[in-house]
Amino acid sequence: ILNVEQSPQSLHVQEGDSTNFTCSFPSSNFYALHWYRWETAKSPEALFVMTLNGDEKKKGRISATLNTKEGYSYLYIKGSQPEDSATYLCAFSSGNQFYFGTGTSLTVIP
Amino acid sequence: GAGVSQSPSNKVTEKGKDVELRCDPISGHTALYWYRQSLGQGLEFLIYFQGNSAPDKSGLPSDRFSAERTGGSVSTLTIQRTQQEDSAVYLCASSLSGSKAYEQYFGPGTRLTVT
Repeated sequence: ILNVEQSPQSLHVQEGDSTNFTCSFPSSNFYALHWYRWETAKSPEALFVMTLNGDEKKKGRISATLNTKEGYSYLYIKGSQPEDSATYLCAFSSGNQFYFGTGTSLTVIP
Repeated sequence: GAGVSQSPSNKVTEKGKDVELRCDPISGHTALYWYRQSLGQGLEFLIYFQGNSAPDKSGLPSDRFSAERTGGSVSTLTIQRTQQEDSAVYLCASSLSGSKAYEQYFGPGTRLTVT
């Protein structure tokens, strides 16, 4: 079993604050790194898929970076809003399998 | 269009009984995955189907677990002789291709409780 670690486990921020969290994964046998947002009572929703070292992806106020050599990815949220409250999952894919972290639970306080 | 659907949404069963969980993937998606999330744990890969290829069953935790995918579409995950440790949310996801660079689209999950 490959270890994918996310930190912090949970995070509370004020509306308007910017925040970021980390996903660490094995640097060998890398194929792709995925970020998902999982809101309570909903299905996980894909945010980004990154395959190349140095990739940067952006969707609105959310962006992500990838460093495959050192095995980490950062997810950034600029100007957090209450609707950003969710669990953010990362997944490392290798072979046929996806290995998920336990997620970072973000709560944005109005 | 329609997303991935799963049924039932909730299932409570007694220890020792068999259960079947169903997944309807997005039409045209050739790849289908089953995962489970136990309390306090990350998503755990169970099984992967890609087209007509033999499934990758390497994530199934025991021989009480099995899955099939009929006609390359609907999939059923069966758990025989359920145990309390099988209690979890079981998620199904489909993807346009088996390439790991494609996004997975998740269903809403089935919450299984074994009493």
